[in-house]
Amino acid sequence: GESVGLHLPTLSVQEGDNSIINCAYSNSASDYFIWYKQESGKGPQFIIDIRSNMDKRQGQRVTVLLNKTVKHLSLQIAATQPGDSAVYFCAEEGYGNNRLAFGKGNQVVVIP
Amino acid sequence: DVKVTQSSRYLVKRTGEKVFLECVQDMDHENMFWYRQDPGLGLRLIYFSYDVKMKEKGDIPEGYSVSREKKERFSLILESASTNQTSMYLCASSLGWDEQFFGPGTRLTVL
Repeated sequence: GESVGLHLPTLSVQEGDNSIINCAYSNSASDYFIWYKQESGKGPQFIIDIRSNMDKRQGQRVTVLLNKTVKHLSLQIAATQPGDSAVYFCAEEGYGNNRLAFGKGNQVVVIP
Repeated sequence: DVKVTQSSRYLVKRTGEKVFLECVQDMDHENMFWYRQDPGLGLRLIYFSYDVKMKEKGDIPEGYSVSREKKERFSLILESASTNQTSMYLCASSLGWDEQFFGPGTRLTVL
């Protein structure tokens, strides 16, 4: 079957470098945002989330930045590793009913 | 460890067949969701459910129905499968207004 990564913007990054993945969201009323990682043949996995009352949140090797002024979300991965190769999705919640609206995703390819 | 399981990883069906995709979660979550994922289109919500016996249409419900008879189980039904329903189907669950936990997906091919 076709890979979920087809037709997606692709970021190629050297192993050990930092990666930045960007996402523009559409709803200025959205108050909760998530980044998911999806490896080939698997379901999306939660990486990190952030609420609209924050502009930065850090996890293990990952940082999410939220700029509400321009409705922009980014995910920074420090010291990228081969296991970071995947499709990364942002999602926003602000439409009520516990629904998430997903971005189309970005493919990250780590070059050893 | 939280878990969402789907009954099949791969499924091949013929046009016109009735297809059941099953999803089970062990986290006592109220909310469950069915998405399909296609290259270039991302995740699109088919149906979701807030509670047992409750269901709401998502963005692309046509050609699908769902059943939630027990809290832990959410079934997606294709009454008469068509080739344009060939896709990756993902089930998810959530406790409330928080992250959704996804299953591994079922890749359905309709011939």
